[in-house]
Amino acid sequence: DAKTTQPPSMDCAEGRAANLPCNHSTISGNEYVYWYRQIHSQGPQYIIHGLKNNETNEMASLIITEDRKSSTLILPHATLRDTAVYYCIVRVARGTYKYIFGTGTRLKVLA
Amino acid sequence: GAVVSQHPSRVICKSGTSVKIECRSLDFQATTMFWYRQFPKQSLMLMATSNEGSKATYEQGVEKDKFLINHASLTLSTLTVTSAHPEDSSFYICSASSGTGVYQPQHFGDGTRLSIL
Repeated sequence: DAKTTQPPSMDCAEGRAANLPCNHSTISGNEYVYWYRQIHSQGPQYIIHGLKNNETNEMASLIITEDRKSSTLILPHATLRDTAVYYCIVRVARGTYKYIFGTGTRLKVLA
Repeated sequence: GAVVSQHPSRVICKSGTSVKIECRSLDFQATTMFWYRQFPKQSLMLMATSNEGSKATYEQGVEKDKFLINHASLTLSTLTVTSAHPEDSSFYICSASSGTGVYQPQHFGDGTRLSIL
C-alpha cells in the first residue's frame, strides 16, 4: 500500500494561500490521492481527490506532480475556520479500497 | 448530499457494559462502510470493513469478538463494543462511500466519543 508523508505542522496567515505538501513516492498508476481535514472532535471532511490532473473545487485546488510522487493541496484564502489536521491519503486500489491514514499536517491559521 | 450520521455522539458507561454505535448513510446506499478508532492526538486507525449482507473484514490486531459489526442494510452498519473496559475508551468514527465507482470518496460521520468508567 502506498504511504504518504506530510509535515507535522504548518502555520498560515489569515487571507493568504495555504500550501500543504504530501509525498507519495510509491503510488501505483491507478491509485487516487484524496485529501481530508479533521476539525477537533469531528469526523474527517472530504476536500478533494485526483488521479493525475490538477483539480479544483469550491474548497481547494489539488496539484499533482507529473510523476505523481507528490501533491499539494492549496487553500487559496485561508480563514481561521480552516485550522484543522489535513490528511493526504492514497487509496488502496484493490480489494476493499480502504483508506490508510497517515499522521497528517496540523494547519494553524493565524489572525 | 453524501451525509453519514452516527449515533450516539457521546456515551459514558460502566466497565463491563456493551455499547452499540449506529452508522447511517442518509441520502445514499452504501454497500461498504468502514469503522475507525482514534485515540487523543493520534490519527485514525482502520478497525474493520463492513460489507452489507456479509461478515466484516477486520484489520490485524482488532478482536472481532470484542468489536461486533453488523451491516444489515444498505444504509445501516452497527458497531457493538462488547464488555467494554476503560482501555476501549476512544473516538469511534464510521465512513461510507457514495456512488458506484470504486474511486468515489468516503464520507465520514461525526464520530462517537466512548468513555468507559
